Amino acid sequence: DAGVIQSPRHEVTEMGQEVTLRCKPISGHDYLFWYRQTMMRGLELLIYFNNNVPIDDSGMPEDRFSAKMPNASFSTLKIQPSEPRDSAVYFCASSLGAGTSFEQYFGPGTRLTVT
Amino acid sequence: RKEVEQDPGPFNVPEGATVAFNCTYSNSASQSFFWYRQDCRKEPKLLMSVYSSGNEDGRFTAQLNRASQYISLLIRDSKLSDSATYLCVVTWGGNYQLIWGAGTKLIIKP
Repeated sequence: DAGVIQSPRHEVTEMGQEVTLRCKPISGHDYLFWYRQTMMRGLELLIYFNNNVPIDDSGMPEDRFSAKMPNASFSTLKIQPSEPRDSAVYFCASSLGAGTSFEQYFGPGTRLTVT
Repeated sequence: RKEVEQDPGPFNVPEGATVAFNCTYSNSASQSFFWYRQDCRKEPKLLMSVYSSGNEDGRFTAQLNRASQYISLLIRDSKLSDSATYLCVVTWGGNYQLIWGAGTKLIIKP
């Protein structure tokens, strides 16, 4: 398996533009997670899905952020409109399950810069 | 108080030395604990799970102290390649809550 795939790897956009980040989890994994990482705030869980259903989106910062998982092999994180404070590395991760035996496999991340 | 706290470091350690750092958590209902490693500008990768009885994987030893609510990671005979940021993650709840520490930066010097 190729692991978790994210695209684009880098994104530079202007404030006010729409940004869409994409993720393909590892085949067979039931859980998919979206994270944001900054120097100031560390790694923050934004939302996670179980079997394509959003379970906890309490980490989504505001209505400008939305995430979807239309099928088991694809998820998107959308920011509209984007702001400079959204600049961060966004990771997608997937896992086979939850609890004591879970291991999250992370994608390489999307480095987002909003100017 | 943060739910999961780590000393950000950096810990500057000579090659071959032993180094240890902790991760404290505030939720007494926490169930599962893990150490991840993150290299500069890379994604986090699982280093090891932390079991109640403590566990060892080669040069790495992880321990859990429920009474004092912290986990620890000990690295023996440190290598240059151990230089990284070490993140702890704590999970709890039937609905799978998890919180990540901010990480401890470790620098191994020759």
